[in-house]
Amino acid sequence: SQTIHQWPATLVQPVGSPLSLECTVEGTSNPNLYWYRQAAGRGLQLLFYSVGIGQISSEVPQNLSASRPQDRQFILSSKKLLLSDSGFYLCAWSGTRRTEAFFGQGTRLTVV
Amino acid sequence: DAKTTQPPSMDCAEGRAANLPCNHSTISGNEYVYWYRQIHSQGPQYIIHGLKNNETNEMASLIITEDRKSSTLILPHATLRDTAVYYCIVYGGSQGNLIFGKGTKLSVKP
Repeated sequence: SQTIHQWPATLVQPVGSPLSLECTVEGTSNPNLYWYRQAAGRGLQLLFYSVGIGQISSEVPQNLSASRPQDRQFILSSKKLLLSDSGFYLCAWSGTRRTEAFFGQGTRLTVV
Repeated sequence: DAKTTQPPSMDCAEGRAANLPCNHSTISGNEYVYWYRQIHSQGPQYIIHGLKNNETNEMASLIITEDRKSSTLILPHATLRDTAVYYCIVYGGSQGNLIFGKGTKLSVKP
């Protein structure tokens, strides 16, 4: 069966520090991968999605970047965090043929 | 932007059916209607999806109008644990992105 792993569950980082959040998927190949952010009390905002290795599409210009070095690995990064980067970050995957998406448990990031 | 419109909130009595509407008047022929829900501080959970026929699974039923411009998610016997934000999403075709709107906050009350 397919599983998605996302870590860490919580993270507190100072302003200006770098960020790296990792997401891995098991049990499937060539998934579509997604990074979302949810600010406190707000909806899910799609940040990046990827349909293959090295293929990244950005939905919202921001202080973050994403990479997909391997088929089932999706990384969210920042060189210098801002206070506004605080939020709940979710990774998700879906099949390539209109299947449902499955979400990780999320990382709650607090930038202080 | 999301291609769907949902009421911001709804209440439902425990044990009664919860009917959550969604408008998606610009849906294209190869796009599916998906429903997810998000319980506080958790990742969204897939509920059901459909193209044009009504669908039912162990969680819910999905009723899609004949013109496919709207749909209704039905939770037949709502419980307190069904309290969550419910998202209706149009997805599929050549698009690789899954866009969430603001959803409907369903409150199931005893």
